[in-house]
Amino acid sequence: DGGITQSPKYLFRKEGQNVTLSCEQNLNHDAMYWYRQDPGQGLRLIYYSQIVNDFQKGDIAEGYSVSREKKESFPLTVTSAQKNPTAFYLCASTRLDLGMNTEAFFGQGTRLTVV
Amino acid sequence: AQSVAQPEDQVNVAEGNPLTVKCTYSVSGNPYLFWYVQYPNRGLQFLLKYITGDNLVKGSYGFEAEFNKSQTSFHLKKPSALVSDSALYFCAVRDERILGAGSYQLTFGKGTKLSVIP
Repeated sequence: DGGITQSPKYLFRKEGQNVTLSCEQNLNHDAMYWYRQDPGQGLRLIYYSQIVNDFQKGDIAEGYSVSREKKESFPLTVTSAQKNPTAFYLCASTRLDLGMNTEAFFGQGTRLTVV
Repeated sequence: AQSVAQPEDQVNVAEGNPLTVKCTYSVSGNPYLFWYVQYPNRGLQFLLKYITGDNLVKGSYGFEAEFNKSQTSFHLKKPSALVSDSALYFCAVRDERILGAGSYQLTFGKGTKLSVIP
């Protein structure tokens, strides 16, 4: 089945550690996105990429980094510079060849907790 | 800049009654509008999207949405609510006037929690 796989589902991080969240898609979508979800704040865009080896900052990129070495993969690293990383992280992807009314597909999310 | 407002943090409705979840948007050009649903600790599932020219859009699980250009609204509706509809609902928008690498990014509202009471 085609889809987006995020791993792990739950992740615990100690203060000062970097952690990497995985996002893999087999939908052959060009664009991939990372969102952060906090209660009552909706989804906020961290980073996005529309092509391999290229990505752009979203609204809340500070303390995060990404790479896009393969079309299928868009890992997110939460660095120690991110002061409040506890949140639910969602990866999404979309096609770029069907026009702007094409919907995005989401993974099942990773819940990151700082301990 | 594009933006979305969901004015109600929570909507409560009795099972079997009609439900409405409100969404208003702001864009520079024509909007591309979407509704998603999220169950606890899960990703977002696509429900429906606005298609130019169809002011009433039908989607998954019996949901529909009414587009009103003059009121810049895209309210989600269902004629008869089910307990299983209880979830968090998000409205999202793309603006056709945004060009370049950022043109396909979605802007989301803060979400509305729908509770259907048996």
